[in-house]
Order: sequence, then C-alpha cells, then structure tokens
Amino acid sequence: AQTVTQSQPEMSVQEAETVTLSCTYDTSESDYYLFWYKQPPSRQMILVIRQEAYKQQNATENRFSVNFQKAAKSFSLKISDSQLGDAAMYFCAYRRSSKLTFGKGITLSVRP
Amino acid sequence: DAGVIQSPRHEVTEMGQEVTLRCKPISGHNSLFWYRQTMMRGLELLIYFNNNVPIDDSGMPEDRFSAKMPNASFSTLKIQPSEPRDSAVYFCASSMGRGNTIYFGEGSWLTVV
Repeated sequence: AQTVTQSQPEMSVQEAETVTLSCTYDTSESDYYLFWYKQPPSRQMILVIRQEAYKQQNATENRFSVNFQKAAKSFSLKISDSQLGDAAMYFCAYRRSSKLTFGKGITLSVRP
Repeated sequence: DAGVIQSPRHEVTEMGQEVTLRCKPISGHNSLFWYRQTMMRGLELLIYFNNNVPIDDSGMPEDRFSAKMPNASFSTLKIQPSEPRDSAVYFCASSMGRGNTIYFGEGSWLTVV
C-alpha cells in the first residue's frame, strides 16, 4: 500500500523568508502523481501544486516550487517570499489511478 | 465555473438521528470521492465512484454509513444512526480521469451530540 509521510508536524517562517516543507512517500509504481494541498482555518482544501512522476522538471507555481527526487521518493514544497496568507496546514498527497492518499499534514505559521 | 458544492455546511444532530450529506461535483467530472477528516485519523477516503459506480468502499467505517450516486451530478453520504464518534468534517471531491487534480468542496462540518 502507498504511504505518504510528513514527519514535521509544525514549522514556522518569518514573513518574506523561504521555507521548505518535507514529504516522502512509498510506492512500487513508476507512474503516479504528487500534489500539495493547502488547508487554511476555513478547512477548504486548495490545490497548491501538482507533479507528474514521469516529468523530471520540477513544477513551479509563482512563489511555490517543488523539489521532486523520484529515486529518493521525496517531494518537498518550497515557499518563497512567505506571506501571512500562507499560514495554513499543508498536505502532501499521492495519486495512482483514482485514489488520493494524504500525509498527516504540517502546520505552517508565518511570523510578521 | 462552479466548484464542488456540498450541503449542509454545518450540521449539529443528536445521537441516533439520521444524517444526509449532499454533493454536486464539478460538471463533466467522472470521479467522485467522499473523504472524512478528524484530528485523530487525518484525511480518510471513505468511498469513491467512477462514472456513478462505486469502485472502492473499503474506507466506509461500518454499515451505518452508505453512499449513493444516482446520477453524474449528485451524490449523498448517509449516516444512520449517527454516533458522537462520527463528528468530523466530510469532504466531497471530484476529478476528471486518472491522475488529474482532485478538487474539493468546502466540507460539511458534522457534530453529533
């Protein structure tokens, strides 16, 4: 069974600084998809970024980028120029076929 | 375009009562998912449908839970009878095809007292 591990329960970053959130996963498959979702206090699940495993190039969305290391099964999220609105819970997720498996999440706080 | 629409947003009910949560997926999406989120267990997949057919319901906790998808634009998750341990946020989500992004509704906050 696929598992997704987010080992850091909490992190904190100074506004305007950069922070990296870690995620590892376990799979025997070669074709799959990885996601980061943001969950603010409203509980809405918001897609941050998506990575296809067959692509070597790391995905980027404005201030958000990933470091995808397929051999190491690592998928970290880098947030540049952190803003107060980035404070939320962040979930790493793995998808193969239909099922989406989530990590336990990490709570990110942003200090003004 | 409208996103995934869930109702009710909040529900407080007494133990033993029937609870029905409703979901309208994004138009054109052929996969629909029901997730539950609690502090203790995180996000759990309860059931998912593909083209209105239940594909995997192994996450449904017990017989008190049932889900239906009578057509491509509507699904329900029913709990009967409800128990305090069912208190959670229930998310409906939908996607088009394998590997595509799964989009979530705003969730239904259920409290069973």
